[in-house]
Amino acid sequence: EVQLVESGGGLVQPGGSLRLSCAASGFTVSSNYMSWVRQAPGKGLEWVSVIYSGGSTYYADSVKGRFTISRDNSKNTLYLQMNSLRAEDTAVYYCARAARYYDILTGFDYWGQGTLVTVSS
Amino acid sequence: IQLTQSPSSLSASVGDRVTITCRASQGISSYLAWYQQKPGKAPKLLIYAASTLQSGVPSRFSGSGSGTDFTLTISSLQPEDFATYYCQQLNSYPFHFGQGTKLEIK
Repeated sequence: EVQLVESGGGLVQPGGSLRLSCAASGFTVSSNYMSWVRQAPGKGLEWVSVIYSGGSTYYADSVKGRFTISRDNSKNTLYLQMNSLRAEDTAVYYCARAARYYDILTGFDYWGQGTLVTVSS
Repeated sequence: IQLTQSPSSLSASVGDRVTITCRASQGISSYLAWYQQKPGKAPKLLIYAASTLQSGVPSRFSGSGSGTDFTLTISSLQPEDFATYYCQQLNSYPFHFGQGTKLEIK
């Protein structure tokens, strides 16, 4: 059974850092395309970042240069390192596995339960 | 590429046929997905490649369109379908979502 479990959220001051983890089971993270999506309280979904099986990474403009997506193949875990955090980064952060047709990403078919990040002084 | 969903909210009754529209600011071929999200839960993939039903999703859900105009149709609303629906483009970065359509019980 495919499962994604996020952890690492919490309260952090503006300008601080936090690392989110997403432990996967039932599939191999390194063989899949993985993404982070966030949702501010009461707001819509915002795509944050993707990492491809080959290691290529892409980011939303709002987090570029501040966030880094990575994975640990030995732990089958996805990460999101978040630096220089701002109040507008406050959100529930979801990790998600991408569905794909050959090499084309077609959507996100498995999601974690989300972890809340609150940026406030 | 920006996505605009309409309407932003919708009231309907069980058994109604409902259509939600998603318009892209430029052509995205068929690289569009639809999701359903219930309060406090993660999104659920309903449709990918604009019109392909995800495994396990009831056949009352259908998607159509290509280029810039897309629709999600629920043929006969069931009580469990009241939720918020999002489209997402996967043609180019960033993989923006639409702003969402909240489907409420009339």
